[in-house]
Amino acid sequence: AQKITQTQPGMFVQEKEAVTLDCTYDTSDQSYGLFWYKQPSSGEMIFLIYQGSYDEQNATEGRYSLNFQKARKSANLVISASQLGDSAMYFCAMREPGNQFYFGTGTSLTVIP
Amino acid sequence: KAGVTQTPRYLIKTRGQQVTLSCSPISGHRSVSWYQQTPGQGLQFLFEYFSETQRNKGNFPGRFSGRQFSNSRSEMNVSTLELGDSALYLCASSSGTFHEQYFGPGTRLTVT
Repeated sequence: AQKITQTQPGMFVQEKEAVTLDCTYDTSDQSYGLFWYKQPSSGEMIFLIYQGSYDEQNATEGRYSLNFQKARKSANLVISASQLGDSAMYFCAMREPGNQFYFGTGTSLTVIP
Repeated sequence: KAGVTQTPRYLIKTRGQQVTLSCSPISGHRSVSWYQQTPGQGLQFLFEYFSETQRNKGNFPGRFSGRQFSNSRSEMNVSTLELGDSALYLCASSSGTFHEQYFGPGTRLTVT
C-alpha cells in the first residue's frame, strides 16, 4: 500500500483565493511526522510545514496551514490568499521512527491571475 | 547557517561510465538522504545515512551506492551508468527523525 497518497495531479486556483491540497497517509505507528514541501520550476525542494502525530492543534506557518484529521489519516495543506509565486509542485511526506521519508506523487498547483 | 550544498550541479556522462555526486549537509545535521527524481517516476528514495551508517535503503540496484564521512558529508556513486539514470539527484539533511529535511539544489545528471 502507498504510504502517502495525493489524488490531485493538478489544481488551479484564482489569485487571492484559498486552496486545499489533499494528502492521505497510511501507517500503523502512533508516532509519526507529516511534512509538506514546495518545488518550484527551479527544482529546489522547499520545506513548508510540519505536523507531529501527537500535536493536538493544526500547524500553521504564515499563509500555510495543515488540516490534520488523525482518524481519517488526512493531512491536507491549505494555502490562503494564493499568490502567483505559489505556482509549483507540492509534495506531502511522512516519516515514522527509524524509517525513511515517504513522499507522495505531488500536486501541481497553478495560480491564475 | 549555510544550506545544503551539492556538487556538481550539472553532469553529462556516457553509458557505462561511473559518477560520484557530493553533498554537504547543514552544519550539525547528521542525517543525509538521497533521492532520484524523474518526470516518470517522481521522487524515489535511494538511501539515508546517519553518523556514517546506512540507516535506510530504497529499492535501487547495487550500482547505486553511497557513504557518509565523519564530518557528515555524503557521496553517492552510480556505476555502469544507464540512460535511465538520467535524473535530478537530490540530497537532503535533517537534524533528527521528526525534524524536517532541508534539500540541496540537486545535481542534474544526463546520461548519453
